[in-house]
Amino acid sequence: DTAVSQTPKYLVTQMENDKSIKCEQNLGHDTMYWYKQDSKKFLKIMFSYNNKELIINETVPNRFSPKSPDKAHLNLHINSLELGDSAVYFCASSQDRRPGQTYEQYFGPGTRLTVT
Amino acid sequence: GQQLNQSPQSMFIQEGEDVSMNCTSSSIFNTWLWYKQDPGEGPVLLIALYKAGELTSNGRLTAQFGITRKDSFLNISASIPSDVGIYFCAGFTSGTYKYIFGTGTRLKVLA
Repeated sequence: DTAVSQTPKYLVTQMENDKSIKCEQNLGHDTMYWYKQDSKKFLKIMFSYNNKELIINETVPNRFSPKSPDKAHLNLHINSLELGDSAVYFCASSQDRRPGQTYEQYFGPGTRLTVT
Repeated sequence: GQQLNQSPQSMFIQEGEDVSMNCTSSSIFNTWLWYKQDPGEGPVLLIALYKAGELTSNGRLTAQFGITRKDSFLNISASIPSDVGIYFCAGFTSGTYKYIFGTGTRLKVLA
């Protein structure tokens, strides 16, 4: 069973379109994240949700709107796409540390977004 | 945003050699994580460290949590071609919900 899954794997679209990326985790984790990985492979956090509540928003343009319908899902909607949005977007999840658990964070396979 | 410094940025090594890389921060963390990313894939967790001075192994990989809590080290022994990839460190402080990632070390193994 895939722990963190994302769809689609590849997304090619034109500028000014609106698109969504979906993420699901079956690990029972409390916290989910979106990261952007640029062409230099730097991983930058965009958003974090804990128990469906937004807790981190790293000065991301408001064209990006995350939505967490429940603890297991965190979707990313992007309005009016720009060329600079082309990147690989990773979803991840982690669990608040409790006895017998850890702060390990697990990543999805990524969504390669290409804006033309 | 903040990023951790990883060294070296990239390295070519011969198959069978040992590899060392490190990660440094200006801030203290209470958890250090090491990941490997293969082309076209997401980062995969290799080792997690929770205590200053802790030394943890996972097969041929050994990682250490620096005693200052501002650095961490990863060693790979007897490298093989499938060790090729990008290795990332990440630091975490409880209560912040934020993992700060390093700039990555790109490893290439020459057969």
